[in-house]
Amino acid sequence: GESVGLHLPTLSVQEGDNSIINCAYSNSASDYFIWYKQESGKGPQFIIDIRSNMDKRQGQRVTVLLNKTVKHLSLQIAATQPGDSAVYFCAEFVTDSWGKLQFGAGTQVVVTP
Amino acid sequence: KAGVTQTPRYLIKTRGQQVTLSCSPISGHRSVSWYQQTPGQGLQFLFEYFSETQRNKGNFPGRFSGRQFSNSRSEMNVSTLELGDSALYLCASSLRTGGRVDTQYFGPGTRLTVL
Repeated sequence: GESVGLHLPTLSVQEGDNSIINCAYSNSASDYFIWYKQESGKGPQFIIDIRSNMDKRQGQRVTVLLNKTVKHLSLQIAATQPGDSAVYFCAEFVTDSWGKLQFGAGTQVVVTP
Repeated sequence: KAGVTQTPRYLIKTRGQQVTLSCSPISGHRSVSWYQQTPGQGLQFLFEYFSETQRNKGNFPGRFSGRQFSNSRSEMNVSTLELGDSALYLCASSLRTGGRVDTQYFGPGTRLTVL
């Protein structure tokens, strides 16, 4: 690929507001999806996952919605806090024999006071 | 339970050299996957090992190789380093019980700089 930096979309959110991060996935046969959070200088941290037999799953302050019809995934963060500032990645499990995780480009979330 | 550990955390090499990175998975996890993360290409899958066998491979040249030991620890090797190999190398472990897909947990990464 080209050696230019990926232009990450940025979501600016005021502290206390809800955040919605969107992700379009590529493979209609993908049956497992994960959201990760990556802070600067750290590895991706698991947030929440969902399998294709579900439309919605809730965790602590987070909700993942899956729309298989349009191949869309979203992550909702309630009452966003400064510690939520990070890059968020969605990943789909692409089934090709053994299968592998394929990551989206990521969304930079910036929480402002 | 201890998380995924990677050593070393930082590495500086020159072009043409080779490098070996190490990953210790979460106890009980049998699958280790490796990824390369760069600003230009994002997170790219390198390969996955399960029960000491490579199960899947990404689109990388043969200079990138790996192995897994009987205790599930894994190493990856990059030979004949190029400037473009500078990246954060991440490993992730998962249970993969019966091959079933489940959550991958990442280590902190090894930052490789090639001069």
